[in-house]
Parts: sequence; structure tokens; C-alpha cells
Amino acid sequence: AQSVAQPEDQVNVAEGNPLTVKCTYSVSGNPYLFWYVQYPNRGLQFLLKYITGDNLVKGSYGFEAEFNKSQTSFHLKKPSALVSDSALYFCAVRDIRYSTLTFGKGTMLLVSP
Amino acid sequence: KAGVTQTPRYLIKTRGQQVTLSCSPISGHRSVSWYQQTPGQGLQFLFEYFSETQRNKGNFPGRFSGRQFSNSRSEMNVSTLELGDSALYLCASSLSWEQETQYFGPGTRLLVL
Repeated sequence: AQSVAQPEDQVNVAEGNPLTVKCTYSVSGNPYLFWYVQYPNRGLQFLLKYITGDNLVKGSYGFEAEFNKSQTSFHLKKPSALVSDSALYFCAVRDIRYSTLTFGKGTMLLVSP
Repeated sequence: KAGVTQTPRYLIKTRGQQVTLSCSPISGHRSVSWYQQTPGQGLQFLFEYFSETQRNKGNFPGRFSGRQFSNSRSEMNVSTLELGDSALYLCASSLSWEQETQYFGPGTRLLVL
């Protein structure tokens, strides 16, 4: 069975500093990996995905993620955090047989002014 | 193009009642998935539909059911509601089950009293 781990419940960073939200995964075969963001009382917004190709994936709002097969990680990064980036971030892996996404438990990102 | 829409946005029911939630996918999308989000369990997969056929089902009791119509709209039904069914129910759509990215609606927040 596939699984996703987000080891940090919360990440705190000051505005303007770089941020990293960690994600590790476990799948059999090649992983399809995703990052979503959720703002209060909203659904999930797609940020970026890794299917194949370059290990560094660029996404929406200046976010990027680095796929590392040997460490089975897919960490989300941004060079300079904004207060408006404060939200709940989910890493997910897709079952290649279906559309089904398996999510991590989420990491709350708090960016202080 | 309009996004995924879900109705109603908020719902209050009492134990023992049943509820039907509706999801309209992005125009042209034929795959619809449903997820339940709770503080304790996080995001859990409920169902996946493509072309009116259920392709995958999560580990939920039989009180949870769903269907998809010929226009790709989907409904999910929960019978004999329990307090633990209180959650945010999220619908997501993609072009097909093979297309990688799912786009989420704003969710229906169900409160069971």
C-alpha cells in the first residue's frame, strides 16, 4: 500500500526567508506526487506535481518541489516566504491504477511578518 | 472555465437522517472522486467514478454510497448519519482517470447533531 508522511505538524518561518515543507512517500513502482494547499474554509488548490522528468518541479505562486528518489522525498520549497503563504499544505501520492490520491496528514505553514 | 462546484456548501443534520451531496465537475472532466476531511483522520478517499462507473472505493461503511450521471455530475449519499460523519466532504475532478491532476471543489461542510 502506498503512503505519505509529513513529519512536521507546523512550520514557522519569517517573511522573506526560504521555506521547506517536508514529505516522504512509500509506493511500489514509479510515484506520481502532488502538493496541494488549503486555505481556511476552502477546498484544496493544486500547486504542483511530479510525474517524470526533471527532479525540480516548479509550480504555482513561486513554489517548487524537489523529487529525490533515493531518499523517497518530495519536499516543497519557496525561496522567499510571504505572509499570504500561511495555510495548510498537503503532499499526496496517486495510485497509478486509479485517480485515487493518498494524502499526508498536512503541515500548517505559518509565515510571520 | 468554471471550477468544481459543490452543493450545498453547509449542511446541518441530526443523527439517523440521511444526506445527499452534489458535485459538478469542471466542464469536460469525466472522472470524479470524493474525499472526507476530518481533524482526526485527515483526508480519506471515499469513491472514484468515471463514465458512470465506480472504479475504486475507499474503506468506508456501506452507509456511504455514490453515483455518477451521464453528464459527469456526481452525488454521494450518507444514510443513517452518525456524529462521526461530521466532516468536510470534498469532490475532485480530472479529465479522465488516467489524467494526473485532480482539481478540488470548495467542499460541503456537514455537521451532524
